[in-house]
Amino acid sequence: DAKTTQPPSMDCAEGRAANLPCNHSTISGNEYVYWYRQIHSQGPQYIIHGLKNNETNEMASLIITEDRKSSTLILPHATLRDTAVYYCIVKGGGADGLTFGKGTHLIIQP
Amino acid sequence: DAGVIQSPRHEVTEMGQEVTLRCKPISGHNSLFWYRQTMMRGLELLIYFNNNVPIDDSGMPEDRFSAKMPNASFSTLKIQPSEPRDSAVYFCASSLSTSGYTFGSGTRLTVV
Repeated sequence: DAKTTQPPSMDCAEGRAANLPCNHSTISGNEYVYWYRQIHSQGPQYIIHGLKNNETNEMASLIITEDRKSSTLILPHATLRDTAVYYCIVKGGGADGLTFGKGTHLIIQP
Repeated sequence: DAGVIQSPRHEVTEMGQEVTLRCKPISGHNSLFWYRQTMMRGLELLIYFNNNVPIDDSGMPEDRFSAKMPNASFSTLKIQPSEPRDSAVYFCASSLSTSGYTFGSGTRLTVV
């Protein structure tokens, strides 16, 4: 699986959009970009994933660059409950496990 | 759906004792994963099963660790004998093919 690079921490004001970047310059053509988050003391929670096209669901939007070497997770209206560690993971389509890096610790400020 | 169910939520045991962690995956999911999380090493994949068959156990740290999945609705992770360095939060997750992975709430293990 390709390696990802994320900033270790970010701040965002409550109510504003939180934009979390991820670099994955060695991504292969068949590898997906997954985003998970882990709120303190809880298990990781699936947010969204995509292959090439931008994706949106009730939680977030995922923007993948045309060359697929980077992506951005967007939380449109951040709340205090969005404070968590966010993991960007690149993985092929097989049913093997996810490899977690250190992620980005997002802190939403009131 | 109740999600992935792990038990117990907390376990405190003495060094040398056997510890068994339990997991019930989401009904219909055909893959099950065991992870361990510590401050030093983050989230590590220990072993995973597809259709109840162990596929990759290369993440299991030592022979003291073993995992079984006797049927599609139950899995165990056993540590025998336990050591203080095994103290961690252990997560179970399940998935269906290429769908998102659903994690349980974890078991916090403390070995004293």
